[in-house]
Amino acid sequence: GAGVSQSPSNKVTEKGKDVELRCDPISGHTALYWYRQSLGQGLEFLIYFQGNSAPDKSGLPSDRFSAERTGGSVSTLTIQRTQQEDSAVYLCASSFFRQEAYGYTFGSGTRLTVV
Amino acid sequence: GQSLEQPSEVTAVEGAIVQMNCTYQTSGFYGLSWYQQHDGGAPTFLSYNALDGLEETGRFSSFLSRSDSYGYLLLQELQMKDSASYFCAVIYNFNKFYFGSGTKLNVKP
Repeated sequence: GAGVSQSPSNKVTEKGKDVELRCDPISGHTALYWYRQSLGQGLEFLIYFQGNSAPDKSGLPSDRFSAERTGGSVSTLTIQRTQQEDSAVYLCASSFFRQEAYGYTFGSGTRLTVV
Repeated sequence: GQSLEQPSEVTAVEGAIVQMNCTYQTSGFYGLSWYQQHDGGAPTFLSYNALDGLEETGRFSSFLSRSDSYGYLLLQELQMKDSASYFCAVIYNFNKFYFGSGTKLNVKP
């Protein structure tokens, strides 16, 4: 696609429920990142996928968080047993591998609210 | 670990020049990027510095001093639409990005 697409754009869920957030990167981009941004804060790294390599999960805050990337394209971030502190904007970004000089393209994010 | 320091907020007048600083501590430093984010929007890439010196792109310039672990973003001829948050991000160990908390720029008429 023309840009990084994320869905849903907004999600309100009850505490304790599971949620799935989807990211559709730019076609051909092999690198894909998930970040979390709390209100007025910076971006917190969650997980990184590069091609067929094992993902870098070092940023996942707890074992309630998991992510997968199928066929090297679409990625899904799953949060199990959601807590109120999970409320944030979840951003996905993609790029060609080792193209730091050209930056990463971010999606518009999913705003998650846990009530 | 990694750490980045950015001033939380800067105010400047339309037409002026503003400099937003970023100091960092990291191992495996590879480069420094800058992103702009308008309220409710996605971060958008502005610039990248891997070597010391100044990179210029139109009204935007970014500077890096690796020896000082310091960089800045310079915006000239400020416009109202430049009001946004500006994040510096260090790239380390090839594939990892670490973002600062951002500087909120307020441009006043």
